[in-house]
Amino acid sequence: QVQLQQAGPGLVEPSQTLSLTCAISGDSVSSNSGAWNWIRQSPSGGLEWLGRTYYRSKWFYEYALSVKSRITINPDTSRNQFSLQLNSVTPEDTALYYCAGGTAAAGIRYWGQGTLVTVSS
Amino acid sequence: QSALTQPASVSGSPGQSITISCTGSSSDVGAYNYVSWYQRHPGRAPKLMIYGVSNRPSGVSDRFSGSKSGNTASLTISGLQAEDEADYYCISYTSSNTLVFGTGTKVTVL
Repeated sequence: QVQLQQAGPGLVEPSQTLSLTCAISGDSVSSNSGAWNWIRQSPSGGLEWLGRTYYRSKWFYEYALSVKSRITINPDTSRNQFSLQLNSVTPEDTALYYCAGGTAAAGIRYWGQGTLVTVSS
Repeated sequence: QSALTQPASVSGSPGQSITISCTGSSSDVGAYNYVSWYQRHPGRAPKLMIYGVSNRPSGVSDRFSGSKSGNTASLTISGLQAEDEADYYCISYTSSNTLVFGTGTKVTVL
């Protein structure tokens, strides 16, 4: 059974960088069949896919256009985890952030517990 | 990439069937059979209900079914039960190699 455990601060100051990690158990971040996503839910309620990384003989990184200039998702094979960095945050980035495992073809089956991140000074 | 369009709310009485639509474009829903559906109860992480347009993961009730026609995917819940009251989201793969969620639908059991 795959489990995802998120970690990171719940409060970030405007213009700073939001950083979260997601530790994977029961699968490998380097799996040739997996994909590792970051998704958020804004206070208004909607879900937004932010990006993903996956390994298919080499690493791939795909990001939503809305955050492409500010986002980095990195795998950490030594710790079997992946991370989210979102630069230059504003109050509009305040949301519940989820890490999630799964592909477009098979569905996103595994979810972290969620981290509420507030952007405020 | 704009969010896929879902009705804001759908309601039905216990035992009835309801259908939630998810409308995209020829660059996402219409282009790939990579549409999945998620159920989200308040305070809980989303749960995968349908993947690949019409496939149910193990453990999901067969009261949930999915289909697609053109640029619109649909989720049908048959024999509506109180526990089905939740928010439902679709998601599709896109021609930009990204994923895009629907706007979400609140299902109310009357």
